[in-house]
Amino acid sequence: EPEVTQTPSHQVTQMGQEVILRCVPISNHLYFYWYRQILGQKVEFLVSFYNNEISEKSEIFDDQFSVERPDGSNFTLKIRSTKLEDSAMYFCASSPQGQGAGEQYFGPGTRLTVT
Amino acid sequence: GQQVMQIPQYQHVQEGEDFTTYCNSSTTLSNIQWYKQRPGGHPVFLIQLVKSGEVKKQKRLTFQFGEAKKNSSLHITATQTTDVGTYFCAHQRGGGADGLTFGKGTHLIIQP
Repeated sequence: EPEVTQTPSHQVTQMGQEVILRCVPISNHLYFYWYRQILGQKVEFLVSFYNNEISEKSEIFDDQFSVERPDGSNFTLKIRSTKLEDSAMYFCASSPQGQGAGEQYFGPGTRLTVT
Repeated sequence: GQQVMQIPQYQHVQEGEDFTTYCNSSTTLSNIQWYKQRPGGHPVFLIQLVKSGEVKKQKRLTFQFGEAKKNSSLHITATQTTDVGTYFCAHQRGGGADGLTFGKGTHLIIQP
């Protein structure tokens, strides 16, 4: 069964450093998302991406964040200058359809630890 | 944005007992989705409800969407140890590739 994959599974970085989290969505899906989950808390939406551009972003997704689909398979989240409060699990998700009817398939996540 | 409130935050049950989690919104929702997250795992889609008063069943799981489309529930009959995890309701606002707004989840803890 197709699944979303994410690398690395765990990333440790120092405050102020840049990190890139990588995702390979399911191949025939059109909509891509990033979420984060601080330990023990709810899943929070960061950004959605469709047709090679950002469709929606939350207030969490400020100027230090960016997303890119550099080729036909990868979908990346870059955090330019990490802060301690960026420590969280970051989930990528994809969906074959968007508005109002989209089951989202989540990857296994990347645990980001900022020290 | 539209927030979804979920209760209870934690639920301890004996194996074999039933379990229910509730999701409420102050505004009408176009849809509600339910996800399960096992400890250390990622959210896994369970169901989507879109119609007023809709009821769907998956084996021991029963999902309901309220008549006013402001609340939803997930009921598990005769819990098993494999049901352990956090159950989240989530709402997708619509209008393009919108992300999901999740509730805080209900952590189901099962005592054998």
